[in-house]
Formats: sequence, structure tokens, C-alpha cells
Amino acid sequence: DARVTQTPRHKVTEMGQEVTMRCQPILGHNTVFWYRQTMMQGLELLAYFRNRAPLDDSGMPKDRFSAEMPDATLATLKIQPSEPRDSAVYFCASGLYPTRTGERGEQYFGPGTRLTVT
Amino acid sequence: QQQVKQSPQSLIVQKGGISIINCAYENTAFDYFPWYQQFPGKGPALLIAIRPDVSEKKEGRFTISFNKSAKQFSLHIMDSQPGDSATYFCAASMDHRGNSNAGGTSYGKLTFGQGTILTVHP
Repeated sequence: DARVTQTPRHKVTEMGQEVTMRCQPILGHNTVFWYRQTMMQGLELLAYFRNRAPLDDSGMPKDRFSAEMPDATLATLKIQPSEPRDSAVYFCASGLYPTRTGERGEQYFGPGTRLTVT
Repeated sequence: QQQVKQSPQSLIVQKGGISIINCAYENTAFDYFPWYQQFPGKGPALLIAIRPDVSEKKEGRFTISFNKSAKQFSLHIMDSQPGDSATYFCAASMDHRGNSNAGGTSYGKLTFGQGTILTVHP
């Protein structure tokens, strides 16, 4: 049963500390997405990669957020320094794009990392 | 032009009733319209999806109705059950390789609606 995994599932940290979230996409998927979910903003796309190359990180605060894919099995999202307003659930998702006619185009989400910055 | 607007924000339905959630989009280049279901503490999961070449898609109790000219699509949940209580998100993207508007880098990039919290009372 292929699934996207994320670690840690929960993280509580103090303002100013570095936070690193990790994601293992589904084997064979070429596109990895990072989303942030809050009550106020809903689901926001932060950044995404195709074949490990960054395509768009315009949704991220550049001064404190960074996203990388060191290899095809690992994507990381780092916040340094963290702030209380970064408290949210961070989701990683993966899929295989572009699709061909008849393909479903499903994007699979991980269980998320719930980040609390005090 | 990338927005997807979803309504209502919340919906309460009695068991056995029909739940209807609506979405509207602006970008006519979108070629894929999925609905995601999210339970508390879980990630969103694909429920059902449609492409603009058909006007309706049905999977079990879930149906998407799609109106290309009005740029609207909706999710209908027939015979709603308490287990359907969740948050539902509509979304839109360009993901087909034949879509020249995707520009090569936008494939799969989902634009989400704000979500609808559905509560089905027993």
C-alpha cells in the first residue's frame, strides 16, 4: 500500500528555533508538493519539485523557509528562525505529471506535520 | 484568475439527505477538477474527479456535476451518512500533457477552494 510519509507528525518548538520537516514521496512519483493548512488561509501551496528540481516556491516566505529534495526519496521543508505565525499543519503530497489521456492524475497527501511555535 | 471559490463554508444535513457543495473557477485553462475529503487529523484524500470533456461523473453516492460554460462544478452526496462528516475541498489544476497553457511547470499544481465542513446528523 503505497503512501506518502511525513515526519515528525507533531512538533512543538520555541520561537527562533529551527524546524525541519521531512517527507518520503511515493516511489515512482516525479512531483512533490508542500502545502500549509490553517483555519484562516485554508490549503496554501508553498513549493513544489519535479524530478527533484524546484519549480515554484513563490508561496514561501523566502527569508525563513527553504525546501529541498536531496534525493528522490526525501523532501525537506525547513523554517529558520520559526515564528508563532508559522503554526500550522504542513502537508507533503506527491503525484506523477503530466498525465496522459485516461490517467487519473491523483495527488496523494501525507498525514501532515502539526507545528506549534510558542 | 487562479482562484477557486467554494460554498457553503459549512453544511448540516440529516442522515439520508443530499449534500450539495458548489465551486466556481476563473481560469479556463484548468483541465482537472478533483474533490478532496479530509477527516480531522488526516491529510486530504481524493474522493472523485472530473475533466471538462464530460458534464457529470458518478462514483457510488458521490456525483460531480460540471458546467463548463458557467465555469462551475458541484459535488452531490446522495443518502448522506454520519461517516461522511468531514471537510470537503474542491480544487482545479492543469495536468494533462496536451495542455499547452500549463507551460511545462504547472502540471499538477492544485488551486483549492476554501473548504466546506459537512456535518451529517444521525
